[in-house]
Amino acid sequence: AQKITQTQPGMFVQEKEAVTLDCTYDTSDQSYGLFWYKQPSSGEMIFLIYQGSYDEQNATEGRYSLNFQKARKSANLVISASQLGDSAMYFCAMRDLPSGGYQKVTFGTGTKLQVIP
Amino acid sequence: GAGVSQTPSNKVTEKGKYVELRCDPISGHTALYWYRQSLGQGPEFLIYFQGTGAADDSGLPNDRFFAVRPEGSVSTLKIQRTERGDSAVYLCASSPSGASYEQYFGPGTRLTVT
Repeated sequence: AQKITQTQPGMFVQEKEAVTLDCTYDTSDQSYGLFWYKQPSSGEMIFLIYQGSYDEQNATEGRYSLNFQKARKSANLVISASQLGDSAMYFCAMRDLPSGGYQKVTFGTGTKLQVIP
Repeated sequence: GAGVSQTPSNKVTEKGKYVELRCDPISGHTALYWYRQSLGQGPEFLIYFQGTGAADDSGLPNDRFFAVRPEGSVSTLKIQRTERGDSAVYLCASSPSGASYEQYFGPGTRLTVT
């Protein structure tokens, strides 16, 4: 069974500073994928970034980058130059590929990020 | 284009009643997923549809929960004999295909069972 652990229930960051949200995972699969989603107070889950287990380079999407350390089974999200609009819940997630070839995703418990002006 | 929509946005029902939650996926997306998000938790997988068929319903908590997608587009999650423990946000997501890793989520339906 897959498991995602997010040990930071809440984080504060000063506007314009960088912040790292921690995520560790556990899986016995060789092929897997890792995601980060943002959930603002409106409730909608917004896809941020994806990293495949065989990708050699860390994924980046604008101000978001995923610090993937396979041996340590960690997939931390780094947000650079924080903005007030970044205040939200952030979920780390992992997909596996059941035999049907679809994306069964397991989510962590989330980290609430608050950006301080 | 239009994203995933869910109706109603909020539903309050009494214990023991029957409820239906609707999901309209992005047009052309063949894969559809339902998740349940309890307070303070991440979403938990309930069921996956590929086209009209439920390819994986292993996340449905018990036989009071059922979902359909008769024409391969709109899906309805049905809960019979609701219990207070069913109170949660029910999220729907769609994807161009089952193999696509990116899932597009709707705003969710907040279900409250009193």
